[in-house]
Amino acid sequence: DSGVTQTPKHLITATGQRVTLRCSPRSGDLSVYWYQQSLDQGLQFLIQYYNGEERAKGNILERFSAQQFPDLHSELNLSSLELGDSALYFCASSARGMTGELFFGEGSRLTVL
Amino acid sequence: AQKVTQAQTEISVVEKEDVTLDCVYETRDTTYYLFWYKQPPSGELVFLIRRNSFDEQNEISGRYSWNFQKSTSSFNFTITASQVVDSAVYFCALSQAYNNAGNMLTFGGGTRLMVKP
Repeated sequence: DSGVTQTPKHLITATGQRVTLRCSPRSGDLSVYWYQQSLDQGLQFLIQYYNGEERAKGNILERFSAQQFPDLHSELNLSSLELGDSALYFCASSARGMTGELFFGEGSRLTVL
Repeated sequence: AQKVTQAQTEISVVEKEDVTLDCVYETRDTTYYLFWYKQPPSGELVFLIRRNSFDEQNEISGRYSWNFQKSTSSFNFTITASQVVDSAVYFCALSQAYNNAGNMLTFGGGTRLMVKP
């Protein structure tokens, strides 16, 4: 158990809809990262937050947005969903200074029909 | 641009065999980090190792060992005396090593290792 909690584990929705994925980082970790894993694109970095502020952006679509709340949990919002958005979305957190040592949650598997 | 290539998409071995997973990377940075992560059937990614580009010493941890060769831009991972529990997808990853970019990982496509009893 990594200590990172993601909900929901599975989500099935239709094209055009909007969903919110939730992540609670490990206790004490200020950084939260979102990654997308799909068959086509592999594992891709989406976005990073540190203590409530956006720190880095990767290949995140404009239809996607994220935020980190004062209690450090994070949400990834996916809107106007397309079939190609079907993927496993991972949240990860890290301790300050431990570069690259990310603790990943079990992921939220999104299926867009 | 950074790139990580894991040419072996799938490897199958019999228990107790040694197996090496290859990783080749591309980066223009002089300082960077390399990583290996394991994704077991349960799905979550598990950190295995981080290597700084300045440190070319090989590392051994139990049955796991890593061979970093800057000259060939490779960071290979060997499992000695493989076990069924080693069955997983293994990802090699690369990141820049400045500011907070060290946690923006560029992953390879992964190698699925199947260890048969």
